[in-house]
Amino acid sequence: DAMVIQNPRYQVTQFGKPVTLSCSQTLNHNVMYWYQQKSSQAPKLLFHYYDKDFNNEADTPDNFQSRRPNTSFCFLDIRSPGLGDAAMYLCATSRDMTTVYEQYFGPGTRLTVT
Amino acid sequence: GQSLEQPSEVTAVEGAIVQINCTYQTSGFYGLSWYQQHDGGAPTFLSYNALDGLEETGRFSSFLSRSDSYGYLLLQELQMKDSASYFCAVMNRDDKIIFGKGTRLHILP
Repeated sequence: DAMVIQNPRYQVTQFGKPVTLSCSQTLNHNVMYWYQQKSSQAPKLLFHYYDKDFNNEADTPDNFQSRRPNTSFCFLDIRSPGLGDAAMYLCATSRDMTTVYEQYFGPGTRLTVT
Repeated sequence: GQSLEQPSEVTAVEGAIVQINCTYQTSGFYGLSWYQQHDGGAPTFLSYNALDGLEETGRFSSFLSRSDSYGYLLLQELQMKDSASYFCAVMNRDDKIIFGKGTRLHILP
């Protein structure tokens, strides 16, 4: 089955220690998104890629970076995690920019910062 | 700016019908989506309305009134597995979606 895969499902890192979360998709979708979701809150868009075109949200901290080496993979790098960065990180895809309303989400990576 | 309002919690009885409302304020509105998210799970796309009216998909229906900046999700024949959070999300001319804060649906047996 075509899907969005995120690894790891759970990640523990230390305060200030860089961490990378990964996402892969077999849907062959052009657009990939990274969201941050804290408990009982809405998913908050961090950035998205339309193909190789990177789009950063204005309020996404510089501490968060992303890479998309090819269509299938996308990475979220947190350079110096703080306690406030503990959250669920969701990767999502959409076929293209005309179908943004229909996004396919991975299971998420729950990040704990100690 | 843009904003979405939906109730934080709704409670209904198994087998009944429940309606979750969403009002929005945004520029360049294209359409309204609905997503379901179970505890610990990922959001799952349910429906999208770009035009006024009712869209039906099995037990779930979604409605949009562009003139009123209002939409709702209607769940019929409620089942215990429908206990989840439901998010409305607007798609606007920025080519992204903005999620509401979500409505937690509690279903009583």
